[in-house]
Amino acid sequence: GAVVSQHPSWVICKSGTSVKIECRSLDFQATTMFWYRQFPKQSLMLMATSNEGSKATYEQGVEKDKFLINHASLTLSTLTVTSAHPEDSSFYICSAIQEDSTDTQYFGPGTRLTVL
Amino acid sequence: LAKTTQPISMDSYEGQEVNITCSHNNIATNDYITWYQQFPSQGPRFIIQGYKTKVTNEVASLFIPADRKSSTLSLPRVSLSDTAVYYCLVRRNTDKLIFGTGTRLQVFP
Repeated sequence: GAVVSQHPSWVICKSGTSVKIECRSLDFQATTMFWYRQFPKQSLMLMATSNEGSKATYEQGVEKDKFLINHASLTLSTLTVTSAHPEDSSFYICSAIQEDSTDTQYFGPGTRLTVL
Repeated sequence: LAKTTQPISMDSYEGQEVNITCSHNNIATNDYITWYQQFPSQGPRFIIQGYKTKVTNEVASLFIPADRKSSTLSLPRVSLSDTAVYYCLVRRNTDKLIFGTGTRLQVFP
């Protein structure tokens, strides 16, 4: 299947700093990518839809000024957590749609963010 | 987006066949049924996807009745490494995926 990577796989930062997470589709182009967050023992929660060349669409309750999304190319989307606080500590997962006859969505391995 | 309902947890033993059923009563004509597997601290892994009848790949089979209001993921001869959370999702083309609680499968030796 198609491969999606994320970088970094884990990051620890101080409260108040910003952290950027990259999501790449390695062997296919993706017009649409998604960002999720997952807390321990819970399901994935969709944060936003990232569209190449246009603004991201955020889910209700997700602060667009805090979670900045940039989808500058067909293989890269970035999520920047601005002014991170301990409550932002979570597992962030991206996914990308391989636009073929099946439009299957493939997920990255996730990024563990810990804010001290 | 059609809502899905699946058992919260299931237990099995190594070597057994496991069937996880998912209900999606409000599935629409253009919706596909997709199943993912997730291990702790990893992103979900695509298992199988179907529209109707039966789909089989090297990992699992997916059974979809004619009315498409439910589907069953079948894992043949599970092993300890199949212990994971399995998510059933219904989606339309490039629509976003909304995850439910999933089914936590525990395989015992």
